[in-house]
Amino acid sequence: SSELTQDPAVSVALGQTVRITCQGDSLRTYYASWYQQKPGHAPVVVIYGKNHGPSGIPDRFSGSSSGNTASLTITGAQEEDEADYYCKSRDSTGNHHVLFGGGTKLTVL
Amino acid sequence: QVQLVQSGAEVKKPGASVKVSCKASGYTFTAYYLHWVRQDPGQGLEWMGWIDPNSGGTNYAQKFQGRVTMTRDMSITTAYMELSRLTSDDTAVYYCARDHLVGPTGWFDPWGQGTLVTVSS
Repeated sequence: SSELTQDPAVSVALGQTVRITCQGDSLRTYYASWYQQKPGHAPVVVIYGKNHGPSGIPDRFSGSSSGNTASLTITGAQEEDEADYYCKSRDSTGNHHVLFGGGTKLTVL
Repeated sequence: QVQLVQSGAEVKKPGASVKVSCKASGYTFTAYYLHWVRQDPGQGLEWMGWIDPNSGGTNYAQKFQGRVTMTRDMSITTAYMELSRLTSDDTAVYYCARDHLVGPTGWFDPWGQGTLVTVSS
């Protein structure tokens, strides 16, 4: 199916590690990219491809993929990481469309 | 620096149309596709479609087919998204985003700041 599925909410204790997952058939063909969005702001890419972080993104953000599941891991979560996270991929049915996951709200306790 | 700057907030009546602009700077406008993404209040991101600024070719999400038109003006490096027959369900923030696509790897960067469109009678 042409969908990406994310858990709606995840929490992590300050300084601990958290994994946010994204599932979908298209992830068997295309890598996911991950976006952080804070209230009132546009999304910002934090991870793309196999595991690439744009300049300026802390290296505590990392990505991985296996089968139909992509993961975003934050190692040593900080208060400022509290945000919504979205995965994105291409639709693998050949229509050149783009898919977004429903988003995961990360709370840092 | 690479930047996408969108037009300001709009208030429209039901049945009207809205046209949002996205001014690109800091890179070769025709080298990257531009996508439009909308976000309903308190909701997630929804892909609307893309335009190839080089050819003007477009590809729209099925949900918006027949109501959305994406165009560009290469002389002023600006892309536009026009949505017609507006209803209250179209109240949302609309973003443009530059596409990067290398084989199986694709990502959006940067994004415009967003344009709030409010549809109200």
